[in-house]
Amino acid sequence: NAGVIQTPRHKVTGKGQEATLWCEPISGHSAVFWYRQTIVQGLEFLTYFRNQAPIDDSGMPKERFSAQMPNQSHSTLKIQSTQPQDSAVYLCASSFQGNTEVFFGKGTRLTVV
Amino acid sequence: GDSVTQTEGLVTLTKGLPVMLNCTYQTTYSPFLFWYVQHLNEAPKLLLKSSTDNKRTEHQGFYATLHKSSSSFHLQKSSVQLSDSALYFCALSGGGYKLTFGTGTSLLVDP
Repeated sequence: NAGVIQTPRHKVTGKGQEATLWCEPISGHSAVFWYRQTIVQGLEFLTYFRNQAPIDDSGMPKERFSAQMPNQSHSTLKIQSTQPQDSAVYLCASSFQGNTEVFFGKGTRLTVV
Repeated sequence: GDSVTQTEGLVTLTKGLPVMLNCTYQTTYSPFLFWYVQHLNEAPKLLLKSSTDNKRTEHQGFYATLHKSSSSFHLQKSSVQLSDSALYFCALSGGGYKLTFGTGTSLLVDP
């Protein structure tokens, strides 16, 4: 079990460019989460999928952020027109049923310059 | 909505000393509390969890007791080691799937 896999581990984008972050959840896990981690805010919930369906995107900034889960083996988080304030570590996590232990990936460190 | 408060941003201790990291929470639901530990450049990993009032839970030398009367779930260890240096997050599940995290406490253990 390789755990939750996130790629790339580091990404640098110029202001205004698009960034796509990838996540492969643990096989068999039906719940997938995205969190954003910053020093000031800590870990902030972004969005949640269950059985590939979007359930809760209440933490997603509405205008430039989107997330998809086209199949059970991967999810993507896309940020359009990136801004310096988007710089953070984006963590993907999965769990068996959504209300059990959550396993995190190592994250993607996004730096917008 | 749910909220979690961790009052210490940074705790620095000498190896062998005891530590307590504070965590208080607010929720209108029946709480399920967690402590996650994140070492540098690693994924956050579950350290402890509890939903049972006044019952101590332990793992890897760390322990915590959920006290619903004071809405607290403080993390303790009797003797910290160098390898305990990490970022510790308290988290709350207030009745469903979503985890609400505190801002985290960095624990730095000196030799």
